[in-house]
Amino acid sequence: QKEVEQDPGPLSVPEGAIVSLNCTYSNSAFQYFMWYRQYSRKGPELLMYTYSSGNKEDGRFTAQVDKSSKYISLFIRDSQPSDSATYLCASHYNQGGKLIFGQGTELSVKP
Amino acid sequence: ETGVTQTPRHLVMGMTNKKSLKCEQHLGHNAMYWYKQSAKKPLELMFVYNFKEQTENNSVPSRFSPECPNSSHLFLHLHTLQPEDSALYLCASSQDRNTIYFGEGSWLTVV
Repeated sequence: QKEVEQDPGPLSVPEGAIVSLNCTYSNSAFQYFMWYRQYSRKGPELLMYTYSSGNKEDGRFTAQVDKSSKYISLFIRDSQPSDSATYLCASHYNQGGKLIFGQGTELSVKP
Repeated sequence: ETGVTQTPRHLVMGMTNKKSLKCEQHLGHNAMYWYKQSAKKPLELMFVYNFKEQTENNSVPSRFSPECPNSSHLFLHLHTLQPEDSALYLCASSQDRNTIYFGEGSWLTVV
């Protein structure tokens, strides 16, 4: 079983839709959770960083962690064509620990 | 501008060639990384350097040889590669191995 699993998509939505991107993880010791956004032919850029359970909001983006079900979510409100990218979730269990990435979900927002 | 600069951005090399990828970080971080990203696969950690000392080698074949002369520079020397080594090679840095910041990547094609 992969430590972090993510549906690769592709996921296609119309502009303005609410997007839900999800990951599951197997290691209950994971404490730190991140979402990276990667545009085509570019390096990943950090989008959201959360510690333990709960929600974190930044503009149109909300990251949610449910440790009881080992589920990580990223919600994008009012999605824009510029949000079209691959979204990578990642986790590790301690500061300085090895970061484990999911496969990435390819998102396309159509005008 | 990501703070982590990689050169070259694109490289095509024959299986008998020797080439090098270069990375420089301008963030004052003390850890640097090489990752490999192949299509439809999670990011694979290759090497980790902390204060220019190698702390992790993730069972990488010896045809990949890293070099870290100081905390700001990282190289990946390539020799006798195989076509399956064609991928995006990402350099990254972090402070105390916390949040990782990536460069734009070097696209490598082995012919």
